Parts: sequence; C-alpha cells; structure tokens
Amino acid sequence: DQQVKQNSPSLSVQEGRISILNCDYTNSMFDYFLWYKKYPAEGPTFLISISSIKDKNEDGRFTVFLNKSAKHLSLHIVPSQPGDSAVYFCAASAPHTGTASKLTFGTGTRLQVTL
Amino acid sequence: DVKVTQSSRYLVKRTGEKVFLECVQDMDHENMFWYRQDPGLGLRLIYFSYDVKMKEKGDIPEGYSVSREKKERFSLILESASTNQTSMYLCASSLGSSGAFFGQGTRLTVV
Repeated sequence: DQQVKQNSPSLSVQEGRISILNCDYTNSMFDYFLWYKKYPAEGPTFLISISSIKDKNEDGRFTVFLNKSAKHLSLHIVPSQPGDSAVYFCAASAPHTGTASKLTFGTGTRLQVTL
Repeated sequence: DVKVTQSSRYLVKRTGEKVFLECVQDMDHENMFWYRQDPGLGLRLIYFSYDVKMKEKGDIPEGYSVSREKKERFSLILESASTNQTSMYLCASSLGSSGAFFGQGTRLTVV
C-alpha cells in the first residue's frame, strides 16, 4: 500500500522554465512533508519541507505547495537549471509517541533539465 | 553540518554470506534508520531505532537485523545474503521530528 505516490516517473524541462513535481498521499495523519533530491551513487539531500499548518513554503528557487483537502503537494523549481537534474523524492511523516518519527517516501521523479 | 557516514560505498558479497553494513552519525541524533532504494520502488524502510538498544521493524524487515549498541552507530546485518538483497542501502539519522540526514549510500551486490 503506497501511502505516498509520485505518479510521474520522469519529467523533462528546458533550462530557464518552471519544473513542477507532484506528490499525492493517502494517510490523513501525515503532518509534515519534505522533498529530497538525489544524484546517482549519492545519498538523498534535504531540499525543502512544509508543515501541514501551512500551504506554501518558499526557499530561493524552490517552492512547495500543500493542498490538504486534495492530499496533494507539489514542488516548483523556477528557473530550472541543468544542475537540478536529479531524482526527487517526496516524503511524509506522521505524529508519533514513544518512537521515531519515520519518513514514508514516494517512488521518485527523475527530472532532466535540458539546455 | 550533520555527517552520516556509511562504512563502504560499494560491496560485493556471495550468496549465503553474513554481511554487516555500518553507519555512524556525529550529531548526537536519537533516531537512526536503514532504507533500501530500488528502481521504481523508491526508498523503503527496513529498520529504525529511536534509542540505544531500541529497534523497530520498518516496512521490509525480512532477511535483515540491526544493532544499536552506541548512540552514534547503527548496523544493518544481512544474516544470509541473497541475490534479491542486491540494492542501494541508505542510512539516515534525525533528531525528534526533524527531517532525516542521509549517508552517501552503500551499493551492495550479492552474487
């Protein structure tokens, strides 16, 4: 049962344009959402996050939007740059008691930014 | 900066061998995790630990065990390696409900 879904396995965008990566979730208990970026043969690196009490969070070229009623979030990258080419993972966590707050990941979207 | 270090970048092991993957973090994080990444499946949680000597099963614990004798170190053990355990293994640590910091990954091939 995939609780976090990234339905687009790949996306190609021209340099300078906007990249929009989408993520859907099914667990209404999730209250914190993150995006990670991963290059081949490296571990994922944290990009940006959003709490469920917000609907938007911005950090430079990266903006994450959260639509709780639709259980949908998206990552916008503008302008896209060749160095943004990587696999992007959406992740979510739920409140916890007595144990670690673990992240549930989506399957990833491979972004290719072309010249 | 948080540093999570995995002992090997690449490993090749034979079927049936006992395999140890080691992970060390230097930020006194209470939580540590082991994930595996496979094409089309994303990152799947194998085991996690929220304190020394404490461990919990993740989504795919079968064929694996873990050890956390010290706060900074979390080991993943493949008791008898099989070819379907060929994968990229990723260790992570976190503090409370913050996002996780990942190591560089270990690409394990079981032949």
